Amino acid sequence: QSVLTQPPSVSAAPGQKVSISCSGSSSNIGKNGVSWYQQLPGTAPKLLLFENNKRPSGIPDRFSVSKSGASATLGITGLQTGDEADYYCGTWDSSLSAWVFGGGTKLTVL
Amino acid sequence: EVQLLESGGGLVQPGGSLRLSCAASGFTFSSYGMIWVRQAPGGGLEWVSAITGGRSITYYADSVQGRFTISRDDSKNTLYLQMNSLRAEDSAIYYCAKDLAVTGTPPALDYWGQGTLVSVSS
Repeated sequence: QSVLTQPPSVSAAPGQKVSISCSGSSSNIGKNGVSWYQQLPGTAPKLLLFENNKRPSGIPDRFSVSKSGASATLGITGLQTGDEADYYCGTWDSSLSAWVFGGGTKLTVL
Repeated sequence: EVQLLESGGGLVQPGGSLRLSCAASGFTFSSYGMIWVRQAPGGGLEWVSAITGGRSITYYADSVQGRFTISRDDSKNTLYLQMNSLRAEDSAIYYCAKDLAVTGTPPALDYWGQGTLVSVSS
């Protein structure tokens, strides 16, 4: 049982938009925000987004995040087959003094 | 270019020990917090342990508290994870990752190693 809650899977057609939710609490997302990671098959996770919609260099603006209270949503527009991956949200939980992650969401581009 | 290179994984019997290493380069290692994250086969990401830069304050997941020890040698730019009393459920790929910011805020991990596989089995 993960501290952050994500849907196990989402799917959409190429070119479409998809949203992945991440629900937490006041001690994690509500207090510290959230970061998002993309894990392509057989590779290590990669930072996609952090803080208020900030992207590391090289991450296209097709990826965005919105946050409301203790929840956040990753949005991906203009879906490409190369976006098929597992997506994780994560943050520091100030009450647990621990990093917490969502269970991961598998994105399928049909 | 930032690089993180894990090593030390392998096959070990239940109750055994392993020490993982993460060699870092391309940034001022001593200034940044570092963490270990593991991923069981077919599973999600599970945080294992963290150590801050500077004062080297350590944190552990309940599942490894008392069995694992995180440490760092800033003179060697290397992060370690000493794993004792290993159990079958510790089998996973172990990744080291770097805090994005020196302060640890905002919480984000901007670089990850390629991982090292630990298998605990008799």
